[in-house]
Amino acid sequence: KQEVTQIPAALSVPEGENLVLNCSFTDSAIYNLQWFRQDPGKGLTSLLLIQSSQREQTSGRLNASLDKSSGRSTLYIAASQPGDSATYLCAVMGGGATNKLIFGTGTLLAVQP
Amino acid sequence: NAGVTQTPKFRVLKTGQSMTLLCAQDMNHEYMYWYRQDPGMGLRLIHYSVGEGTTAKGEVPDGYNVSRLKKQNFLLGLESAAPSQTSVYFCATSILTTQETQYFGPGTRLLVL
Repeated sequence: KQEVTQIPAALSVPEGENLVLNCSFTDSAIYNLQWFRQDPGKGLTSLLLIQSSQREQTSGRLNASLDKSSGRSTLYIAASQPGDSATYLCAVMGGGATNKLIFGTGTLLAVQP
Repeated sequence: NAGVTQTPKFRVLKTGQSMTLLCAQDMNHEYMYWYRQDPGMGLRLIHYSVGEGTTAKGEVPDGYNVSRLKKQNFLLGLESAAPSQTSVYFCATSILTTQETQYFGPGTRLLVL
């Protein structure tokens, strides 16, 4: 059974710092890995999607990497801003034809001004 | 273009009462999903549908039923609510490919007393 773990559970950094969020998964047979952002009381917003054949994806100040063989992904946020404060969720899409996602428990990020 | 909407936004139920949560989408997506989000447990899949008239069980289906009579709507029913069903419920949709993400609604917060 696929399990997704995110470390740390919570992180507080000063504004301007570069930071890394970690995600690990137990079964390397995945179609893709996705990073989402969730603001308090809101739904999830997709940030980056990395296909299993890819090594990384970039969007603005965000860079996500994928090492399928070791079951790890990182989300790198450059020059953090208070507006980046949110919960970041990692999810993997496993085998089968249903596009089901298995989520980690998230990392709560607070960027202090 | 509203995307994915959920009704209601918040509801309080007494143990044993029933209710239906509505998810509506205007993106013509084939796949629809119901998740629940609980503190420290991430999002867990309750039921999903791969097309109009189809439904299937997810990770935590007990105590819930679903229906997809129209492509744009996915209903989640609680026949006899229990305090353990206190949670935030999210609906999501996606298209028929592993190369696209899921799109989430804003959530329904349910409190069962």
